[in-house]
Amino acid sequence: SQQGEEDPQALSIQEGENATMNCSYKTSINNLQWYRQNSGRGLVHLILIRSNEREKHSGRLRVTLDTSKKSSSLLITASRAADTASYFCAHMTTDSWGKLQFGAGTQVVVTP
Amino acid sequence: DAGVIQSPRHEVTEMGQEVTLRCKPISGHDYLFWYRQTMMRGLELLIYFNNNVPIDDSGMPEDRFSAKMPNASFSTLKIQPSEPRDSAVYFCASSLGDEQFFGPGTRLTVL
Repeated sequence: SQQGEEDPQALSIQEGENATMNCSYKTSINNLQWYRQNSGRGLVHLILIRSNEREKHSGRLRVTLDTSKKSSSLLITASRAADTASYFCAHMTTDSWGKLQFGAGTQVVVTP
Repeated sequence: DAGVIQSPRHEVTEMGQEVTLRCKPISGHDYLFWYRQTMMRGLELLIYFNNNVPIDDSGMPEDRFSAKMPNASFSTLKIQPSEPRDSAVYFCASSLGDEQFFGPGTRLTVL
């Protein structure tokens, strides 16, 4: 069962628009990660942000982390049809090194 | 590296039969994870190993499920006897402790 929450559950946007999704968790973390899953495929790691970092960028991805609010956000800029996928956040708690707690995911549909 | 390898990719079996899922992690990775994904319950961690030793099996649904990792290159997840509610996609993932690398999954259908 998931230990984190994500919102929205689903997001539908047009190509070129930005997509933002949020994630919350309940315990102290070592790091928080975002993964993408295309339909019928395995999850693919996108980006990792450590507990002492506040923002991280990778290409068109921007992740923020607010440990005081126990929340993170993933922004995908200038979305493309190929960004259509489910996006999951996962956090690693300070007392379970190696183990990730996954959220329920946000389903993103980008329409050409 | 070929990534995490899982076999079979699809498995259809009848209730009561034994099912064995296989996983070859990325060479050099010391963590191996087994997950199950369904529409109803999402992605669930079943069990994970560190250096071939099971660390946390609290996610294993019941005694019908068992997992082994006899060496650093191979792990199995066995369901005996299988039930229709075990139908799901089972993923294996490996890591060095941070980011996890997922296999393509095994889609299991129990009739």
